[in-house]
Amino acid sequence: DQQVKQNSPSLSVQEGRISILNCDYTNSMFDYFLWYKKYPAEGPTFLISISSIKDKNEDGRFTVFLNKSAKHLSLHIVPSQPGDSAVYFCAAYDPSGSRLTFGEGTQLTVNP
Amino acid sequence: EPEVTQTPSHQVTQMGQEVILRCVPISNHLYFYWYRQILGQKVEFLVSFYNNEISEKSEIFDDQFSVERPDGSNFTLKIRSTKLEDSAMYFCASRGDRYQETQYFGPGTRLLVL
Repeated sequence: DQQVKQNSPSLSVQEGRISILNCDYTNSMFDYFLWYKKYPAEGPTFLISISSIKDKNEDGRFTVFLNKSAKHLSLHIVPSQPGDSAVYFCAAYDPSGSRLTFGEGTQLTVNP
Repeated sequence: EPEVTQTPSHQVTQMGQEVILRCVPISNHLYFYWYRQILGQKVEFLVSFYNNEISEKSEIFDDQFSVERPDGSNFTLKIRSTKLEDSAMYFCASRGDRYQETQYFGPGTRLLVL
């Protein structure tokens, strides 16, 4: 199942700089997208979401951008903090059901 | 802040044994889910549950699996006869209503089948 893909398994940035995490999808029926953050031995924690009718949603240091024509979304974290170090999952909703389809995750490491 | 809780946090069982994983979804949420993550793989959807019945299930959710909401607070996943390949983290999630898209996840149960 490659409907949601995160091509970068890892990303390393310096504290204070911008982190950009990317996600691509193939199913044009997806109409709602979410980003989750996950620490080891914990469940995914909801971070931010975006509806397909928007192209940007911002919440504090986190901004999600959606490019429907490219079937691409990205999560920007600025400024990055060491506490942001975690695995970030992109997930998408298909309105025909209620399941979330997840990407593989990207391990973000923010270095002090 | 309300949260989804799961018990046990870890479960070790012998192949062929039955296990029951328990979840307490967020109070007043109406939609309930089970997902699993095999080590090194993606988080995968298993089943969704609404109005006391399964609303959707994946191809993974075969006859060995069942879900139940035995009372007003608990939501359980039963695996009747565990296999080695059932070893994974199992996450429960809940969602408020059809207008709230966010699913909130519990901390997971790590199941190890020997």
